[in-house]
Amino acid sequence: DAKTTQPPSMDCAEGRAANLPCNHSTISGNEYVYWYRQIHSQGPQYIIHGLKNNETNEMASLIITEDRKSSTLILPHATLRDTAVYYCIVRPAGGTSYGKLTFGQGTILTVHP
Amino acid sequence: DAGVTQSPTHLIKTRGQQVTLRCSPKSGHDTVSWYQQALGQGPQFIFQYYEEEERQRGNFPDRFSGHQFPNYSSELNVNALLLGDSALYLCASSLARGSSNQPQHFGDGTRLSIL
Repeated sequence: DAKTTQPPSMDCAEGRAANLPCNHSTISGNEYVYWYRQIHSQGPQYIIHGLKNNETNEMASLIITEDRKSSTLILPHATLRDTAVYYCIVRPAGGTSYGKLTFGQGTILTVHP
Repeated sequence: DAGVTQSPTHLIKTRGQQVTLRCSPKSGHDTVSWYQQALGQGPQFIFQYYEEEERQRGNFPDRFSGHQFPNYSSELNVNALLLGDSALYLCASSLARGSSNQPQHFGDGTRLSIL
């Protein structure tokens, strides 16, 4: 499975954009990049995913570099409720591992007032 | 539209006992995956069920077993409980087992404590 590397922690001021980076240099051409977040005592929450193109939904934007070796999750206007652990996951498209999500340690995002 | 629901929310067992955890998938989903999350760690994949069969398994002993019912709900069974089995057990559901373009949606888990 392709490995992801994320900074262990980041801070952001409320109302500002939060930009969370992720490196996935061994990603294969048909593997998706997924982002989840986990607020304390809750299950992981799906945020967004993408293959090659940039994606945007009501929660966030996902920017994937042209070589697909890294990506950035953007929360455009962070609020205190966005404080959570953010996981970047590369999901295999086939083979024996495609059904599972492999979580790393993630990035602890703390949004300050 | 109900999301993924898990029961019970909390459970306390003693070493050597057996436990059954339950999961109802999000409406319209047909695939259920189970994860174990130890304190301070990311979730670890246990196994996935589709069409009432275990289709994929992570690195967990056969003390961990499961079942999927015709209505797509699922159970996770753990036998001969060990102290190390204390964790948050998460269920995730998705549509179409074969598609990596379908996100998994998680419940809030069952917190299992072994004394």
